[in-house]
Amino acid sequence: AQTVTQSQPEMSVQEAETVTLSCTYDTSESDYYLFWYKQPPSRQMILVIRQEAYKQQNATENRFSVNFQKAAKSFSLKISDSQLGDAAMYFCAYDTLIFYNDMRFGAGTRLTVKP
Amino acid sequence: ETGVTQTPRHLVMGMTNKKSLKCEQHLGHNAMYWYKQSAKKPLELMFVYSLEERVENNSVPSRFSPECPNSSHLFLHLHTLQPEDSALYLCASSQAGRGYGYTFGSGTRLTVV
Repeated sequence: AQTVTQSQPEMSVQEAETVTLSCTYDTSESDYYLFWYKQPPSRQMILVIRQEAYKQQNATENRFSVNFQKAAKSFSLKISDSQLGDAAMYFCAYDTLIFYNDMRFGAGTRLTVKP
Repeated sequence: ETGVTQTPRHLVMGMTNKKSLKCEQHLGHNAMYWYKQSAKKPLELMFVYSLEERVENNSVPSRFSPECPNSSHLFLHLHTLQPEDSALYLCASSQAGRGYGYTFGSGTRLTVV
């Protein structure tokens, strides 16, 4: 069963505006890592941002930031000042590190950026 | 330079052909993965290698055969594939147990005719 849910198959945003992509996950572990990956048309999955579950402070990377709500098992990605190059599929994922195959991915959200 | 290089980028093969996909990483990672990405489906983990030993195969059909000769190289040997095997095949590597996520290659777009 899928344990990472991205409820928005598609999103669009106007260039220079802000957009938030949603992600919820389900794990019984208390220690884990959360990730957002971007997959542009070039197909390579690129790590956008990483969050350690034991850290309360939300991670930020330039225009990308997360809203991590551990109790709610929610991990949303906010993209500020959206650029045309942000258009891509975005995948949410978590990894409990217990086994080598513990990385779980969501089904993805396709983001379109309108000029 | 992405750190993980996959070849070929595109591959068209008949159902009776035998071909191989290649993945190479020079990041010093100790785990490598094959994923299948089909349209409108979540990423499917196919194989995991850690320290050159296969630790997971997720019930993949035997027409897919992985090989990991050393920690930097990973192959996926293909034979007698079916049209439903057409997909993007992604290779990834990681430093297992460190929580830094995976580094992915650009994938091989496979079309089975």
